[in-house]
Amino acid sequence: QEQLVESGGGVVQPGRSLRLSCAASGFRFSDYAMHWVRQTPGKGLEWLAVISYDGGNQHYADSVKGRFTISRDNARNTLSLQLNSLRAEDTAVYYCVRPTLVYNWFDPWGQGTLVIFSS
Amino acid sequence: DIVMTQSPATLSVSPGERATLSCRASQSIRSNLAWYQQKPGQAPRLLIYGASTGATGIPARFSGSGSGTEFTLTISSLQSEDFAVYYCQQYKDWPLTFGGGTKVDIK
Repeated sequence: QEQLVESGGGVVQPGRSLRLSCAASGFRFSDYAMHWVRQTPGKGLEWLAVISYDGGNQHYADSVKGRFTISRDNARNTLSLQLNSLRAEDTAVYYCVRPTLVYNWFDPWGQGTLVIFSS
Repeated sequence: DIVMTQSPATLSVSPGERATLSCRASQSIRSNLAWYQQKPGQAPRLLIYGASTGATGIPARFSGSGSGTEFTLTISSLQSEDFAVYYCQQYKDWPLTFGGGTKVDIK
């Protein structure tokens, strides 16, 4: 079945970076754009970034632009999110999500990976 | 950015009763709206897209309506497994935005 599995979360200290990964299976990964969404107790669900099916285009939320980088490896069916210059407000569960081929509603979602900023 | 506002924040309902959840967009999003259900410790699950089309495998007791700026998710007869948090999301414009959620709990 169609599945997304995130990994790479953890406790991050000031000045450190983190790289999240998402392994996709059960569908033709290279056909789809892919997104990252995060969830915090304070701000709820927040869309972060999208990458086109071939990796040629990326688009970011203003809150992470210049700090986070989305990328993909279609040969390995893997989506990534590089988190730099982390802040306390980046503490969240990060989800990898797939849209449809045309519209940006999300199904499926991964199980999420927790990132905790600790000073 | 399009702001999505959900109401109420919490809805207390008895099993078997009808639940009506609202979602309002700060500007017209036509029918570019999805609803998700989230249970504790789980990722959100798609319920409705296109404001009124049920996702695959979603029970018929879940229905969506509305267009423009006003949307409604109705659960016709609440089952025990329906007590959860529900989110709406617009996908008309960037950035994609979510509502703050409505928690449906047991009365």
